[in-house]
Amino acid sequence: DARVTQTPRHKVTEMGQEVTMRCQPILGHNTVFWYRQTMMQGLELLAYFRNRAPLDDSGMPKDRFSAEMPDATLATLKIQPSEPRDSAVYFCASGLSRGRTNEKLFFGSGTQLSVL
Amino acid sequence: LAKTTQPISMDSYEGQEVNITCSHNNIATNDYITWYQQFPSQGPRFIIQGYKTKVTNEVASLFIPADRKSSTLSLPRVSLSDTAVYYCLVGPHRDNQGGKLIFGQGTELSVKP
Repeated sequence: DARVTQTPRHKVTEMGQEVTMRCQPILGHNTVFWYRQTMMQGLELLAYFRNRAPLDDSGMPKDRFSAEMPDATLATLKIQPSEPRDSAVYFCASGLSRGRTNEKLFFGSGTQLSVL
Repeated sequence: LAKTTQPISMDSYEGQEVNITCSHNNIATNDYITWYQQFPSQGPRFIIQGYKTKVTNEVASLFIPADRKSSTLSLPRVSLSDTAVYYCLVGPHRDNQGGKLIFGQGTELSVKP
């Protein structure tokens, strides 16, 4: 089965360190979404891309977060410097945007980030 | 973007039909309605999508009244494994512009034996 692959699955780091999360979308999909999930805030949209171009990243703290798609098979989410409040599960999802319907998103298993 | 409102939690018993209603009063003409299911420690999983009237697949049915200001996800004969959080999303029309897909708080369904 085709699936979205996220690495690492778990990451524990210290405050101030750089964190890079990677996502391999499903081959052929042209949209990629990054979400963050916490108990308090639920699922928050951080950024999304269509055809590798960033369409919206208004959900991200700009001073420390950055999201890129170096190529169609890789999306990255970087936090520098990381803070304890960034502790959350980060999900990547990909979809195929076509026509007039919303795409069906396929989610990865997430990266559980703990910043001490 | 259309805001959605769902019950925070629901309880049910095995074998019952469960209906979860989502309100989206300011849905736009071209918006579609999509439901996702999320189990603990997993990412959300697509269940069903519709625009109007009724849609049915192997997992669920989606009922959308004529005014489209609400929608109801129907799960027939639930089992313990249907215990999960269910999210209703109302997405903007694509039309080559792309669009945000915003998750609300979701409905935590608990199925008891």
